[in-house]
Amino acid sequence: KAGVTQTPRYLIKTRGQQVTLSCSPISGHRSVSWYQQTPGQGLQFLFEYFSETQRNKGNFPGRFSGRQFSNSRSEMNVSTLELGDSALYLCATRDGSSLNYGYTFGSGTRLTVV
Amino acid sequence: AQSVTQLDSHVSVSEGTPVLLRCNYSSSYSPSLFWYVQHPNKGLQLLLKYTSAATLVKGINGFEAEFKKSETSFHLTKPSAHMSDAAEYFCVVSDPNNDMRFGAGTRLTVKP
Repeated sequence: KAGVTQTPRYLIKTRGQQVTLSCSPISGHRSVSWYQQTPGQGLQFLFEYFSETQRNKGNFPGRFSGRQFSNSRSEMNVSTLELGDSALYLCATRDGSSLNYGYTFGSGTRLTVV
Repeated sequence: AQSVTQLDSHVSVSEGTPVLLRCNYSSSYSPSLFWYVQHPNKGLQLLLKYTSAATLVKGINGFEAEFKKSETSFHLTKPSAHMSDAAEYFCVVSDPNNDMRFGAGTRLTVKP
C-alpha cells in the first residue's frame, strides 16, 4: 500500500503570495486532516475533510482554506502569505468510517516564507 | 473536553538504558490513546495505540505503553534505547468523535 503523499516537499514563497499544497491519501482513506507544525506552537490542527466536506476546523484565519476531491485527494491553500506561515505542513489520513483509528501521516511540506 | 500533557519536554538517556516518556491525559470519555514518533524533517509515524482492549500495548521497535485509568497515564517505555530512537515523541488522545489532541512532544536524545 502506498503511503500518504504530500507535494511539494519544499517550497519557498514571498510574503503576499499564495500557495497550494497537495495530499494524496492511502487508498481507502476518506478522511484527510491538515496540521501546521512550528517550533513555537507545536502541532496545530487546521481542518479535516471527509467525503469532500469539511468536518472540523481549527482556529486559523480565513487565509487558510482547503478542499477535498472525489478521489479523496486534498489540497490546502494559504493566501496572502505572512512570515509566520513558515512551517511544516502535515497531512494525515485515516479511514474515517472507523472510530479510534490513528492517523497515517505524510512526510510534510516545508514552507518557507521570505 | 480532552487534553494530553507530556510531562517532559526533553529526555536524555544512554544507549542501552531504559526509556520512559511520560504522558497524562484528561478525557470525559473512554479515550483512545496513541504514541507517534517523528524523526527530523519527517512526518509522524504511529508507534502504538490503545483502544480499550488490553491495557499493556506493544508497538513497533520494541516500544510499549501501559494504560492506567486510575492514574490517567499512558507512559511510553522501552527496555533498551538505541541510537536510532532519538526523535520527537507525541502522545495523542482521541475521543469518540475522532477529535484528536496532541501533546507538546518530548524530544528523546540517546547518548552513545
